[in-house]
Order: sequence, then structure tokens, then C-alpha cells
Amino acid sequence: DIQMTQSPSSLSASVGDRVTITCRASQTISSYLNWYQQKPGKAPRLLIYAASSLQTGVPSRFSGSGSGTDFTLTISSLQPEDFATFYCQQSYNIPFTFGPGTKVDIK
Amino acid sequence: EVQLVESGGGLVQPGESLRLSCAASGFTFSNYWMSWVRQAPGKGLEWVANIKLDGSEKYSVDSVKGRFTISRDNAKDSLFLQMNSLRAEDTAVYYCARGGNRNGRFDYWGQGTLVTVSS
Repeated sequence: DIQMTQSPSSLSASVGDRVTITCRASQTISSYLNWYQQKPGKAPRLLIYAASSLQTGVPSRFSGSGSGTDFTLTISSLQPEDFATFYCQQSYNIPFTFGPGTKVDIK
Repeated sequence: EVQLVESGGGLVQPGESLRLSCAASGFTFSNYWMSWVRQAPGKGLEWVANIKLDGSEKYSVDSVKGRFTISRDNAKDSLFLQMNSLRAEDTAVYYCARGGNRNGRFDYWGQGTLVTVSS
């Protein structure tokens, strides 16, 4: 199985900050990497697919990059509604696997 | 508007069975792979199983193989998860998600249904 890791596991940031979350796969997954945002008590929401494609309706302050084993999710200017947990997920091989999550909270 | 609505969760004892359902609307159900993803209390996301458009291919995570069966009824725009021999570690919110093909993504999710396995 492909193992996904994320760093940091949590971070505190202020509104307006630039935030970067990294995700690493245990083997190459090409660009088959997706990012999700989840708020407490809610279902996950797709933000980025295929490493860098913005899902329809997602604000342009979210962006993704990377290929192979190393990927990045960037929020260019953190907004109050962005405080949540973010997960990466590989769709290269079954079983599909998620990273452990990165919790972004208010500084 | 795409909607996925799960039902069938509840409290069961270890070893018992439960069948989850997911009613889909707002899109052509038969054109999409579908999946179940779960989340144990306070934990991360875990993909459970997926099923191809016509039900001809199904895959699942090792921890549920032989116990859980995914199925679909395209005539009724519905997805199912039959869960047998439930264990305490199956306790989780179970989400129905659109997608699940290799190289794809889960682009719509239901609100989830809670399954609690406890004596």
C-alpha cells in the first residue's frame, strides 16, 4: 500500500497569512494527488485534484503543486473560513490512501 | 445539484450486521464510480470500498475484505454497503462519495451516517 504523510500535523496562523502544507507519498504517484478540506462535523470537500487543478467553486487562493512523491497545498492569504483540517489522498493505486491530516487553527 | 444522502447507520453489537444506503440525485448515477469512505471518531479518513459504473468491478481495503460488500442499483440511483461481522474498530462515520476510479477523485460527498459497534 502507498503510505501518505503530511507536515506539519498542525499549525497556527493568522488571517492573511500564507500557509503551506506538504504531502509525501511512499512511492511515486505521478500527479494523482487530491486535497480535501474538512470542517468539524462536516463532510470533506474537494479542493484540488490531479495535484494542481482547482475544483470548480473553490477560491483561487488555494493552489496545489508537485508530482512524483512530493506535493504542496498553498493558501495564499488565509481567510476566517479556511480554518479546518486538510487531507491529501492518492488515487494512483488501490487501496486509495489519505494522509493523516493537517489541522489549521487560529493563532 | 448533486446530492448524496446516506442512511442505515446505528448502534449494533460486535458480530452483528448492518446495511448502509446512499441515495444519489442531481447527476447520472450510472456514469460514475462510487465509493464508501469512513472516519473513526477523532481520526482521519479511510477509503473502504469502490464499485465501477455497472458493478462489474469492486475493490475494498484489506481490513473489511470478506466482511463488507459494496453494491449498487443504477435503476434506483442507490449505493449500498452490506457490513457483516462488525467489530468495534468499524465504528465510524461512513461517507458515500462520488468517484473512486483509479486516477480520479472524490468530488461529492454525503453528510455521513454513524455506525457504532459496541456491546
